Amino acid sequence: DTAVSQTPKYLVTQMGNDKSIKCEQNLGHDTMYWYKQDSKKFLKIMFSYNNKELIINETVPNRFSPKSPDKAHLNLHINSLELGDSAVYFCASSPETYNEQFFGPGTRLTVL
Amino acid sequence: DAKTTQPPSMDCAEGRAANLPCNHSTISGNEYVYWYRQIHSQGPQYIIHGLKNNETNEMASLIITEDRKSSTLILPHATLRDTAVYYCIVRVPDSSYKLIFGSGTRLLVRP
Repeated sequence: DTAVSQTPKYLVTQMGNDKSIKCEQNLGHDTMYWYKQDSKKFLKIMFSYNNKELIINETVPNRFSPKSPDKAHLNLHINSLELGDSAVYFCASSPETYNEQFFGPGTRLTVL
Repeated sequence: DAKTTQPPSMDCAEGRAANLPCNHSTISGNEYVYWYRQIHSQGPQYIIHGLKNNETNEMASLIITEDRKSSTLILPHATLRDTAVYYCIVRVPDSSYKLIFGSGTRLLVRP
């Protein structure tokens, strides 16, 4: 059973489009995260949600909007995509101890 | 969160121990040391964490100096599958504390 899953795995789109990436975890965790890994391989947190409530919002453009319909899902919607949004996006979740974060396989977004 | 300093790259022979150092001289009393790794094209994977005592699990051992200003991750018998980027992170285990990834150490395990 996949613990943290993301769809799609690859996403190629044109500038200006709106796209969503979905994330689901079946670990029963209350906290979920989105990270961005750019072409230089730096991994940076974007958002975290705890029990559907936004906890961390890291100076991400407001074109990025996370949505948590329930605590097992944290989707990322991106409006008006730009070339600089090309990256690998990772979803993660953590249990109440916050010691481990379990990462999904990533979604490679390419904006043309 | 405290900054960490790691060598950019290391290598070791398959079957030998890999010792990955990390400096965190500004660590505060309530911050833990965490290690993650990222195998090529995969999501990061948690390895181990500790506060001040040495820790061991099925993947690795973590040795933290008495003054807590540095630590070493030990992979006792490295395999080719351990080739990855290893990240040392210090943080407080709380929902509002971010996991801040630096540039890590790229470990190459040679056959």
